Amino acid sequence: DAGVIQSPRHEVTEMGQEVTLRCKPISGHNSLFWYRQTMMRGLELLIYFNNNVPIDDSGMPEDRFSAKMPNASFSTLKIQPSEPRDSAVYFCASTTGAAKNIQYFGAGTRLSVL
Amino acid sequence: AQSVTQPDIHITVSEGASLELRCNYSYGATPYLFWYVQSPGQGLQLLLKYFSGDTLVQGIKGFEAEFKRSQSSFNLRKPSVHWSDAAEYFCAVGPLFSGGYNKLIFGAGTRLAVHP
Repeated sequence: DAGVIQSPRHEVTEMGQEVTLRCKPISGHNSLFWYRQTMMRGLELLIYFNNNVPIDDSGMPEDRFSAKMPNASFSTLKIQPSEPRDSAVYFCASTTGAAKNIQYFGAGTRLSVL
Repeated sequence: AQSVTQPDIHITVSEGASLELRCNYSYGATPYLFWYVQSPGQGLQLLLKYFSGDTLVQGIKGFEAEFKRSQSSFNLRKPSVHWSDAAEYFCAVGPLFSGGYNKLIFGAGTRLAVHP
């Protein structure tokens, strides 16, 4: 299996622009997570999907952030409008009950908002 | 409240020396326990896991960890550190699978530096 695939690996944008991060989970996994990692706050869970349905979005920082999972093989995290404080590494991870909660992480998207 | 504490933010060891990274958790039931490693510019990779049974678990890259229920700890150890072990290490705790809710709670991480 190719693992969790995230794109792009790096994104540089200007403040106010819309940013879309993409994630393809491991085939057969039914749970998907979006995390944000910064030096100041460490690894934060933003949102969690189970069977394509958002279960817990309490970590989404504000309304500028939104996430969708239209099908079992694709999810997006959108920031609109972006701000410099959104600069971080964003990770996607997936798992399934059969995997006993072992989360498999993608390589991440490094976002820089200028 | 459920939480994971990694008391050491940074640790520096010499190559060939032994290593122990500490992890303490607060959880209402018997947890699933994990250690992940993150190399620079990479995602998190699973090192080892504990679900049940033998409290000493072996992982990849020569790492092991011991679950001590009485101390609510799951410390990571390696007898001889290699320069390539320099990375950030995360301890995580998972709820028992219940209703499809699979969230993990991660510690703040310990950054390991290895001197030649």
